[in-house]
Amino acid sequence: QVQLQESGPGLVKPSQTLSLTCTVSGGSISSGDYYWSWIRQPPGKGLEWIGYIYYSGNTYYNPSLKSRVTISVDTSKNQFSLKLSSVTAADTAVYSCASLYSGSYGFDYWGQGTPVTVSS
Amino acid sequence: QSALTQPASVSGSPGQSITISCTGTSSDVGGYKYVSWYQQHPGKAPKLMIYDVSNRPSGVSNRFSGSKSGNTASLTISGLQAEDEADYYCSSYRSSSTLVFGGGTKLTVL
Repeated sequence: QVQLQESGPGLVKPSQTLSLTCTVSGGSISSGDYYWSWIRQPPGKGLEWIGYIYYSGNTYYNPSLKSRVTISVDTSKNQFSLKLSSVTAADTAVYSCASLYSGSYGFDYWGQGTPVTVSS
Repeated sequence: QSALTQPASVSGSPGQSITISCTGTSSDVGGYKYVSWYQQHPGKAPKLMIYDVSNRPSGVSNRFSGSKSGNTASLTISGLQAEDEADYYCSSYRSSSTLVFGGGTKLTVL
């Protein structure tokens, strides 16, 4: 069974870049059946899709975040990463990585999520 | 990017059935079969309950069912149980290979 684990700083200063990594175990990130995705959830609010990447490097982003988001993949480490630039307090959220099955566009495996606070 | 529209809350008594709606447009819910539903208990990761509008992943109770009519998808939970109390989110594929979630619905089991 695929497992995902997020890692990265829990506190980021305003205007700086948020950087997180998701490590995939129990399966290969190079599996052609999956995209690898980031999702966030602000405190007390709903889920927001950030973007996803294919193992080949093709990326797809939420239009409302596209100008600030970069998702990359490192197949040698079975990891993919998120960078969100110019953060503000509105970017405070629990950030989760998830596998997105290409046949259904359903997120079938999720990481536990990591809280990130934007504050000086 | 506008979210799909879900009711903020629904409630039901044990044993009853409830339905949660998810309304989008012809560019997402109405245009594709890629509608999914997720259950999220407090402090936990979301769990996939329905994919491709009406398919259940292995291990998900058959009390959960999904359907779609036009631009609105629905999740029905029959034989409501206390453990079903949670937040529920729909998601849909949207044109240009993007995805969108609904705003979420809090289910209360009375």
